[in-house]
Amino acid sequence: DAGVTQSPTHLIKTRGQHVTLRCSPISGHKSVSWYQQVLGQGPQFIFQYYEKEERGRGNFPDRFSARQFPNYSSELNVNALLLGDSALYLCASSLAIEQYFGPGTRLTVT
Amino acid sequence: GIQVEQSPPDLILQEGANSTLRCNFSDSVNNLQWFHQNPWGQLINLFYIPSGTKQNGRLSATTVATERYSLLYISSSQTTDSGVYFCAVERQSGYSTLTFGKGTMLLVSP
Repeated sequence: DAGVTQSPTHLIKTRGQHVTLRCSPISGHKSVSWYQQVLGQGPQFIFQYYEKEERGRGNFPDRFSARQFPNYSSELNVNALLLGDSALYLCASSLAIEQYFGPGTRLTVT
Repeated sequence: GIQVEQSPPDLILQEGANSTLRCNFSDSVNNLQWFHQNPWGQLINLFYIPSGTKQNGRLSATTVATERYSLLYISSSQTTDSGVYFCAVERQSGYSTLTFGKGTMLLVSP
């Protein structure tokens, strides 16, 4: 069975630009969560979606938004990129409680 | 929010040695997971263990929920065990939002 997939793998953007990251959950998983991991730290929770509804939001500015589609895939959007948004963005899916992570998208903002 | 503390922050071992990693958390949880992050950033699920003891090969884990800590044991360590080990917990909120510790960086030398 395929695990969680994310695209793109790597991305380089300029300050002020917009970025869209994509995630496909494990088949049958209806919950998708997004995390940001900066160098040297543990991942930090950004959003959680279940059945296309936002169920939780972490302490991130409104420049960060997300959505979930009818097939349970998800997009994370970040507007007006800042240098500090450079990080590994991880997507996780879950069927019940245990979460499974994708390989991540490494975003570099220059 | 819930606090997660991992110790030690860094650990250097020779191949074949045993080690114990600790995770303390500040509130009741309904989810506790241990992950190994490989050099490419992928978070690999090791254990889903909100309470009790589990074993998988050379790895085992114990969570004492009443005392709010979990231990990850690595026996007969191998160089491939190197990487960062994260403990992550979810409060009894009903939502899949993991709070991560800062991790333990393990280096196993030949």
